[in-house]
Amino acid sequence: GNSVTQMEGPVTLSEEAFLTINCTYTATGYPSLFWYVQYPGEGLQLLLKATKADDKGSNKGFEATYRKETTSFHLEKGSVQVSDSAVYFCALRDYKLSFGAGTTVTVRA
Amino acid sequence: EAGVTQFPSHSVIEKGQTVTLRCDPISGHDNLYWYRRVMGKEIKFLLHFVKESKQDESGMPNNRFLAERTGGTYSTLKVQPAELEDSGVYFCASSQAGRSAGHGYTFGSGTRLTVV
Repeated sequence: GNSVTQMEGPVTLSEEAFLTINCTYTATGYPSLFWYVQYPGEGLQLLLKATKADDKGSNKGFEATYRKETTSFHLEKGSVQVSDSAVYFCALRDYKLSFGAGTTVTVRA
Repeated sequence: EAGVTQFPSHSVIEKGQTVTLRCDPISGHDNLYWYRRVMGKEIKFLLHFVKESKQDESGMPNNRFLAERTGGTYSTLKVQPAELEDSGVYFCASSQAGRSAGHGYTFGSGTRLTVV
């Protein structure tokens, strides 16, 4: 079946540091890939998505590229802010969403 | 527009008791989904309603869980009797008719359930 494996946290960074959260997947066919984010006290929000190989999703300074050859969809941001502190979930869609375990990111001032 | 509303936001109950979680989707959204995250692990699909009909309930863990969506508006998820392993965060999401999974989803803030 489909599955998503993402880097375990927690991750603690200083402001302006570079952030990478690794995500790999196992799926039949060519699923759409997503990153969701949950800020403290809020619901899950779609951060970015990519629907086919080599697509790059981007939003709020975050980027992720759909790599079919490595079955990966790593999330990156070049300079994080305190407001980026949240839990990040990688997900794929066939019919329904399959999520990774989530990575808690804390950015310190 | 109002978002997806879930309540309670937190619930602490004793093993063997009954708990009912509620989800109010965005008005007009035919699709309603329940997911849960247990013990900090991955978020797992529970079930999917289209209006009042259960489209897919393959993720429901056992018969202690009962989901309803009478009238195709709000949904309830009842756990009876609750067990320790049911502790986790239960998320609800809704989307408009015809929207495939992941596109156009709006998630609620979740209900944190603790069974002691």
